[in-house]
Amino acid sequence: GAVVSQHPSWVICKSGTSVKIECRSLDFQATTMFWYRQFPKQSLMLMATSNEGSKATYEQGVEKDKFLINHASLTLSTLTVTSAHPEDSSFYICSATDQETQYFGPGTRLLVL
Amino acid sequence: ILNVEQSPQSLHVQEGDSTNFTCSFPSSNFYALHWYRWETAKSPEALFVMTLNGDEKKKGRISATLNTKEGYSYLYIKGSQPEDSATYLCAFSGNAGNMLTFGGGTRLMVKP
Repeated sequence: GAVVSQHPSWVICKSGTSVKIECRSLDFQATTMFWYRQFPKQSLMLMATSNEGSKATYEQGVEKDKFLINHASLTLSTLTVTSAHPEDSSFYICSATDQETQYFGPGTRLLVL
Repeated sequence: ILNVEQSPQSLHVQEGDSTNFTCSFPSSNFYALHWYRWETAKSPEALFVMTLNGDEKKKGRISATLNTKEGYSYLYIKGSQPEDSATYLCAFSGNAGNMLTFGGGTRLMVKP
């Protein structure tokens, strides 16, 4: 199956710091990538859809100025959590699609102190 | 808000037991139902993408069925092994879109 990498796996940072997470499709080109978030004991929730070369589409309740998404190439999308606060502590996971299946990265656990 | 539910939330079985769990989803505007297996510290692994009512798919000891009219899918594991221990996620997509709405998952633990 297709491989998607995500980096870093773990981030611990101070409140107010901006954190950048990278999502790469390693063996296929993905015009569309997705960013999800999972809080403890909850389902994976879609945050935004990232389209190569255009602006991301954000789900209701997700602040686009706080969660900056850049999809500059067919194999890379980045999510930047700007001025992170403790309530942003969560598990962030990306996926890339070949139009039939979404292939997921291993996720990034963010802890904001 | 789309409601995708999985039951049970968790399941303990003995090695060799067969087991099954359920995903329920909206029966309207259906496009596809996805099943993933998610082992701790790994990426969710795509198991099945199901689109047709009555579909049945199989991968080794794991199989899945789909009923789009009543809005449910079953995942079956025959002769569970400890390496089957994982969280099994289902996800619904509607209207020919790529957007997935996930259930809460079923956490399966297989005891040797």
